[in-house]
Amino acid sequence: TQLLEQSPQFLSIQEGENLTVYCNSSSVFSSLQWYRQEPGEGPVLLVTVVTGGEVKKLKRLTFQFGDARKDSSLHITAAQPGDTGLYLCAGLDSNYQLIWGAGTKLIIKP
Amino acid sequence: EAGVTQFPSHSVIEKGQTVTLRCDPISGHDNLYWYRRVMGKEIKFLLHFVKESKQDESGMPNNRFLAERTGGTYSTLKVQPAELEDSGVYFCASSRTLWGTEAFFGQGTRLTVV
Repeated sequence: TQLLEQSPQFLSIQEGENLTVYCNSSSVFSSLQWYRQEPGEGPVLLVTVVTGGEVKKLKRLTFQFGDARKDSSLHITAAQPGDTGLYLCAGLDSNYQLIWGAGTKLIIKP
Repeated sequence: EAGVTQFPSHSVIEKGQTVTLRCDPISGHDNLYWYRRVMGKEIKFLLHFVKESKQDESGMPNNRFLAERTGGTYSTLKVQPAELEDSGVYFCASSRTLWGTEAFFGQGTRLTVV
């Protein structure tokens, strides 16, 4: 069974600090996606990384796919209260199924 | 363009009853997916439709779950009879092509079986 371990599960930091969320697996994924979910809503796709070693930036968010395509990280610079939410990673396996991490609940305090 | 819509948003039923969840995908999206998140666990794949055909239903927990997609438009997920462990949030998503392009999620149906 493929697993995607996401850490930390919960993170509460002050506005202006930096943070990194990790997703790790022993399995190789063809691509990896990062989502953000607000209460009462479905996940919203932030980015898809496809190539090993790929780095994508979305304003203050930096996403990296590991060289072996088994792990990924999300780094937020100078976090703001608007970044508060549940962040989910999901890897696409060879059957086109998404394997999900359990999520990181992020709280940014003003 | 309307997003993916799910009905109802919440449902509380007694063990043994039947519940039907509905998903209206984005118009023109051939691919429709059902996912479930049980409290405290990660989101898990249930099944995938391509138009009206079941492409992959390997994630369906057991034969108490029946999914249909009439005419390749909206989809329903019926649970009959419901058990306590079926409680969770059921998400539907649709995409124009297979994963690799963006998939859009509905807001989810929170099912509580008591």
